[in-house]
Amino acid sequence: GAGVSQTPSNKVTEKGKYVELRCDPISGHTALYWYRQSLGQGPEFLIYFQGTGAADDSGLPNDRFFAVRPEGSVSTLKIQRTERGDSAVYLCASSRGQGGTGELFFGEGSRLTVL
Amino acid sequence: AQSVTQLDSQVPVFEEAPVELRCNYSSSVSVYLFWYVQYPNQGLQLLLKYLSGSTLVESINGFEAEFNKSQTSFHLRKPSVHISDTAEYFCAVISTQGGSEKLVFGKGTKLTVNP
Repeated sequence: GAGVSQTPSNKVTEKGKYVELRCDPISGHTALYWYRQSLGQGPEFLIYFQGTGAADDSGLPNDRFFAVRPEGSVSTLKIQRTERGDSAVYLCASSRGQGGTGELFFGEGSRLTVL
Repeated sequence: AQSVTQLDSQVPVFEEAPVELRCNYSSSVSVYLFWYVQYPNQGLQLLLKYLSGSTLVESINGFEAEFNKSQTSFHLRKPSVHISDTAEYFCAVISTQGGSEKLVFGKGTKLTVNP
């Protein structure tokens, strides 16, 4: 597609449930990022992929969070045993892989609400 | 670690008035600076960036930002705003800690342009 696509756009779930959020980056972009944006805050870095491998996962808050990118394109962010504090907008971005000097293209985000 | 401070969470202005959105970053040997904008119900998009060279950078819609190394600032300015500039603006810096490069965002400034 023309831009970064994220699904679902909205997800409401109950505390303790498992959630998957999907990101389809711009074709040909080798770098993919996940961010989380809570109300009134800026985007907070979670994890960064270069190709299929996670180059930096230092932002993942705990072991309930995991992300994969098996074929170097689509990525899935997985959250186990969701908690109310996980409620946020999860943003995905991709870039051409020029490192941080390249422009990041963001999707519209997946809004997660944990009841 | 790199960090970004946006001093104003909300800035209301009247149409055709000038505006300045302030951004300060933590000092580093080399720094790349960005302003991203999020219009209502849209994803984040790059407004302008400073990588090297001229300290004054401009966007296509009349915004400009000046990199000031001595004051560790990268304030965003526009001499005359339009209603359509209403959006949330995020300042960001590249963090190279740990061998990876990732964008670190400020908390954002919500610009509201009133008629």
